[in-house]
Amino acid sequence: GQSLEQPSEVTAVEGAIVQINCTYQTSGFYGLSWYQQHDGGAPTFLSYNALDGLEETGRFSSFLSRSDSYGYLLLQELQMKDSASYFCAVYKNTGFQKLVFGTGTRLLVSP
Amino acid sequence: GAGVSQSPSNKVTEKGKDVELRCDPISGHTALYWYRQRLGQGLEFLIYFQGNSAPDKSGLPSDRFSAERTGESVSTLTIQRTQQEDSAVYLCASSPLTGLAPGELFFGEGSRLTVL
Repeated sequence: GQSLEQPSEVTAVEGAIVQINCTYQTSGFYGLSWYQQHDGGAPTFLSYNALDGLEETGRFSSFLSRSDSYGYLLLQELQMKDSASYFCAVYKNTGFQKLVFGTGTRLLVSP
Repeated sequence: GAGVSQSPSNKVTEKGKDVELRCDPISGHTALYWYRQRLGQGLEFLIYFQGNSAPDKSGLPSDRFSAERTGESVSTLTIQRTQQEDSAVYLCASSPLTGLAPGELFFGEGSRLTVL
C-alpha cells in the first residue's frame, strides 16, 4: 500500500510565503507531483519532481528529498486567487506509472 | 474538443439503479485515469488504462464497479446497483504518457453522482 500525509488546512495573508509539506510511504516510488483544485473545479497540474532538489515555476516551487520521502510546495507572493486545495501525488511504478493522490491541503488566503 | 470531456455533468439516481459515466480524453493521450472524490475529500484512485495493455483495476472498491476503454479513446465507468455511499464526483483524466516518462494529467470537470 501507500500513504501520503499533508496538513489539512493552512492559512496565510496576501503577499506572504507558505509551504505545504507532503510525506509519503510507498513502494515503487517514481516521482512526486502537485495539483491545485479550486472549489467545484477540476484539478490542474502545478509541478513534477523526479529528482532531489527544487523546481521553480514562477511564484510556485516544489522540492523533493527521496531519501527523506518528503516534498513540499512553496507558494510565494500569495494572492487571493491562490485560495484552493493543493494535492501532492505520488507516481508509483507498477509496470506503468500510477498516480496516487494525498488527501489535500486547503489553503485560505486572506487580505 | 480541446480538453477532457465528461458526461453527464450531474446524475441523480435511485439506490439500486445502474449508472454509466462517460469520458472523452484528449486525442492522442494514451493514459486514462478514473478517480472518485467525495465531498471535501481527496482523489481516490479507481482504475488506470495505458494504451492497449491490461488496465490497473486495483482501486475499484467493489465488483459493482467496472470500466472499459476502446483503444485510446472513450472510456465508460459503470456502477451497478448504486448505493448511497457511491455519491461523489467521478473525475476522469488523460495524459500523453509514453514509455516510462510520467506526464501531466489533464482532468475533466467531473460527473457528480447523487444516489438517493
